[in-house]
Amino acid sequence: EPEVTQTPSHQVTQMGQEVILRCVPISNHLYFYWYRQILGQKVEFLVSFYNNEISEKSEIFDDQFSVERPDGSNFTLKIRSTKLEDSAMYFCASILGAGTAFSYEQYFGPGTRLTVT
Amino acid sequence: SQKIEQNSEALNIQEGKTATLTCNYTNYSPAYLQWYRQDPGRGPVFLLLIRENEKEKRKERLKVTFDTTLKQSLFHITASQPADSATYLCAFRPTSGTYKYIFGTGTRLKVLA
Repeated sequence: EPEVTQTPSHQVTQMGQEVILRCVPISNHLYFYWYRQILGQKVEFLVSFYNNEISEKSEIFDDQFSVERPDGSNFTLKIRSTKLEDSAMYFCASILGAGTAFSYEQYFGPGTRLTVT
Repeated sequence: SQKIEQNSEALNIQEGKTATLTCNYTNYSPAYLQWYRQDPGRGPVFLLLIRENEKEKRKERLKVTFDTTLKQSLFHITASQPADSATYLCAFRPTSGTYKYIFGTGTRLKVLA
């Protein structure tokens, strides 16, 4: 069964450093997402991406964040200058986004645990 | 403001019983409502989707209802098993014009053997 993959599984970085989190969505999916989940809290929407551009973003997704789809398979989230409060699980997700309502189900990756020290 | 609320307290039930989890929302007109399962340290896994014009949806031991008047969705697991123990999340697309999803805080279910 196709799945979303994410690398690395765990990233430790120092405050102020740049990090890039990588995702490979399911190959025929059209919409891609990044979410974050601070320990013990809810899954929070960061950004959605369609047709090689951001379609929506949350207030969390400020100028420190950027997303890119550098080739036909990878989807990346960059945090330019990490802060302690960026420590969280980051999930990538994708949806087919076409056809029947059932194509709107989200497939999540296993997540990257980001720890900022 | 827009809110999704799920029971924040854990739900403990005996194996074989039916678990019922609640998701309430305010100030939304959701086009689709979804339920996900999340195990500790893992990504959410899609379970069921129900549309605003559907009252009920079933899949094996799972059932979801959607009451747009009460602004509530109920998620049922019948004949529950210890393997059903997890956190269950509800999620909405706020309107049909967006692909953004809003998640509830989740309810932790523990099925006791």
